[in-house]
Amino acid sequence: DQQVKQNSPSLSVQEGRISILNCDYTNSMFDYFLWYKKYPAEGPTFLISISSIKDKNEDGRFTVFLNKSAKHLSLHIVPSQPGDSAVYFCAVPTSGTYKYIFGTGTRLKVLA
Amino acid sequence: NAGVTQTPKFQVLKTGQSMTLQCAQDMNHEYMSWYRQDPGMGLRLIHYSVGAGITDQGEVPNGYNVSRSTTEDFPLRLLSAAPSQTSVYFCASSYSRETYEQYFGPGTRLTVT
Repeated sequence: DQQVKQNSPSLSVQEGRISILNCDYTNSMFDYFLWYKKYPAEGPTFLISISSIKDKNEDGRFTVFLNKSAKHLSLHIVPSQPGDSAVYFCAVPTSGTYKYIFGTGTRLKVLA
Repeated sequence: NAGVTQTPKFQVLKTGQSMTLQCAQDMNHEYMSWYRQDPGMGLRLIHYSVGAGITDQGEVPNGYNVSRSTTEDFPLRLLSAAPSQTSVYFCASSYSRETYEQYFGPGTRLTVT
């Protein structure tokens, strides 16, 4: 059973608009969440993270929101740019271990 | 810094062959991991290491072996390749558990026929 889910395999957004990528998790003990971005033929790169003691973390055009009661996090990209077109993964390091769980990814396409 | 390097970039194996995927990092990171990425499945953890001489299993360890004799290197061995091991393999490293952020290599695309 998947503990980290990204239910939208793909998303298309017009350049300049907001992109919202979602991630749901099942274990309320998870206390840290990360987003990675992946271009074709490259390894994932770290984008932004959030600790469970916060409900929002912002870095330039990227903001991650955490709703602990709903076990849901979202990544907002404003404004979206064509260079943001990539696959985005949410990831969770399971408590007390170094065992990461990744979501299945959402492919974002930003249309010029 | 070269970061995390992986060799080879591409490999084709026949069923039953063995091979080693190489991974090295020059950032003096304690933690290193191997993942495989399959369509629709995200990245799944194969094995990980919390330091030289210490390794542990991840989510999908069967058919793979690892060792960590130095901080820099973390090779992944396929003992007897199977078509189900056709995948893209990524190595990653991290400085410490507290930072959580991982640095990934460029990947190895493996095809087993």
